[in-house]
Amino acid sequence: NAGVTQTPKFRILKIGQSMTLQCAQDMNHNYMYWYRQDPGMGLKLIYYSVGAGITDKGEVPNGYNVSRSTTEDFPLRLELAAPSQTSVYFCASKTRGDHTEAFFGQGTRLTVV
Amino acid sequence: GESVGLHLPTLSVQEGDNSIINCAYSNSASDYFIWYKQESGKGPQFIIDIRSNMDKRQGQRVTVLLNKTVKHLSLQIAATQPGDSAVYFCAEIFQGGSYIPTFGRGTSLIVHP
Repeated sequence: NAGVTQTPKFRILKIGQSMTLQCAQDMNHNYMYWYRQDPGMGLKLIYYSVGAGITDKGEVPNGYNVSRSTTEDFPLRLELAAPSQTSVYFCASKTRGDHTEAFFGQGTRLTVV
Repeated sequence: GESVGLHLPTLSVQEGDNSIINCAYSNSASDYFIWYKQESGKGPQFIIDIRSNMDKRQGQRVTVLLNKTVKHLSLQIAATQPGDSAVYFCAEIFQGGSYIPTFGRGTSLIVHP
């Protein structure tokens, strides 16, 4: 069973370039999240979604956009990459219900030069 | 603002010792807590959880203790093994906050053979 799949695993971008980080889950989870993790730090929430067609900003949304056209997919878009966006990005999903854990993907390591 | 934090950023132990990783949380309305383990280059993985109506929960070699009076959470790992070396995060979830896991900085556990 695949769980949460993120692609690509690694990417180097030049300043000003754009890209989309892909996230797909096959568990029919309603809730999906994007976090970024800077070196030696915890995870900060970028955007989240509680269902298809619904997205909302997290703690650090600037410079990012998301969409949720299907239950399975939750892509994260960087329009104009900046060095401050160098980080490891994690996608997670969770079923509806208060006392259930979130499942994480393996992460995308992004470097902006 | 409300936050989750960890007292010890790095914990070094000998193989076979018991480990205790601590976490302080400040949102008294959080009703669910999760410990995650993150190995190098991987996404966080669920270890154990506890609801706010419980004080203690045991798993295989792991125990989570919750002290709501002082807003403190701990993870105890019995007979620590080299494979336990990782970064450990606690996450708190507030039911009224769209079930978003909020993470602290993490504690790096190093187990010496």
